[in-house]
Amino acid sequence: DGGITQSPKYLFRKEGQNVTLSCEQNLNHDAMYWYRQDPGQGLRLIYYSQIVNDFQKGDIAEGYSVSREKKESFPLTVTSAQKNPTAFYLCASRETGNTGELFFGEGSRLTVL
Amino acid sequence: AQTVTQSQPEMSVQEAETVTLSCTYDTSENNYYLFWYKQPPSRQMILVIRQEAYKQQNATENRFSVNFQKAAKSFSLKISDSQLGDTAMYFCAFMRNKLVFGAGTILRVKS
Repeated sequence: DGGITQSPKYLFRKEGQNVTLSCEQNLNHDAMYWYRQDPGQGLRLIYYSQIVNDFQKGDIAEGYSVSREKKESFPLTVTSAQKNPTAFYLCASRETGNTGELFFGEGSRLTVL
Repeated sequence: AQTVTQSQPEMSVQEAETVTLSCTYDTSENNYYLFWYKQPPSRQMILVIRQEAYKQQNATENRFSVNFQKAAKSFSLKISDSQLGDTAMYFCAFMRNKLVFGAGTILRVKS
């Protein structure tokens, strides 16, 4: 089945460690996105990529990094520079030029111990 | 920059009744999309309804409909015949090149 797969679903990290969240899609979508969601709040855009080998910062990019070496993959690295990384992270994708709907993964919950 | 405002942090409705969730947005663009997404306790984001800004007709999807007022930059969601399964966080979102979300409204449907 076509969709977006995020892994791991739950992740624990010690302070000072980098961690990478995986996002893979087999929908053949051009654009991919990473959002952060804090308890009781909306989604805030971290990074997005509209084409392979290109990506742009979103509203809260500090302390995060991404790569887009393949169309189907858009991993997010949460670095030790991110001051408050404990959150729920959602990856999404869409086909550029269509009605604009984003398809979401099931999310990854990161907890810093 | 585009912003999306949902002024109702929480709402409650009795089962089978109708409820309207408010959303306003700010943009200088003329062509864009608007969405309502639902996030149940599972946290999976589910598209409820979409509206193209160039279409004057309000979108409808079964029990869900919108009131799109482009000049007022308003995009409210009406849920008719509310069901217990409608209990969720609802997000209004604006799309141009990227999707910008409002802070969300928690909707509780009571039996």
